[in-house]
Amino acid sequence: GQQLNQSPQSMFIQEGEDVSMNCTSSSIFNTWLWYKQDPGEGPVLLIALYKAGELTSNGRLTAQFGITRKDSFLNISASIPSDVGIYFCAGQRDTGGFKTIFGAGTRLFVKA
Amino acid sequence: NAGVTQTPKFQVLKTGQSMTLQCAQDMNHNSMYWYRQDPGMGLRLIYYSASEGTTDKGEVPNGYNVSRLNKREFSLRLESAAPSQTSVYFCASGKGDQPQHFGDGTRLSIL
Repeated sequence: GQQLNQSPQSMFIQEGEDVSMNCTSSSIFNTWLWYKQDPGEGPVLLIALYKAGELTSNGRLTAQFGITRKDSFLNISASIPSDVGIYFCAGQRDTGGFKTIFGAGTRLFVKA
Repeated sequence: NAGVTQTPKFQVLKTGQSMTLQCAQDMNHNSMYWYRQDPGMGLRLIYYSASEGTTDKGEVPNGYNVSRLNKREFSLRLESAAPSQTSVYFCASGKGDQPQHFGDGTRLSIL
């Protein structure tokens, strides 16, 4: 089936460091989404990207929609302990209904 | 503004028991979804409902049934629970091409 390859699977970083994670696919998507999941909660939308090449920021977070429409990355600058959680990418396309495919997630650990 | 509400939050079942997971949204969204989350596998779509009165299978529908009771509510039923269905279940809702909003999940253990 359709897959998104999200990497890395997990990251252990020091507070203050920058973080980068990405998603790639063999399929083209119309929309790329980045969600964060805190322990015991559901995923919450961080950034939505709607155009190839689009670069969007939300505070310390920056995400880009790849030119080929097959990839996206998320950067977190100057990480803080509350950045801990699981980050999911998701690709969305219109297939007669809007279908969303999720990556397996990047688990981020931040050491104070 | 509650968003997407799931009940119960936790449940333990014995193999073979039945169970219905409830989901309600108050955002007037047309589409609703049920996912399961397993370690290392992200979110996998079980069933979805593009609008009131319609339901369709997702990636992993076997062993589940759904009911779109009205525009607000979308329930997921396990008729005969199996240990392989131990997971965290998430309900989500959305409108058109807008990103989905998720509930806080139901943690289900089947012994």
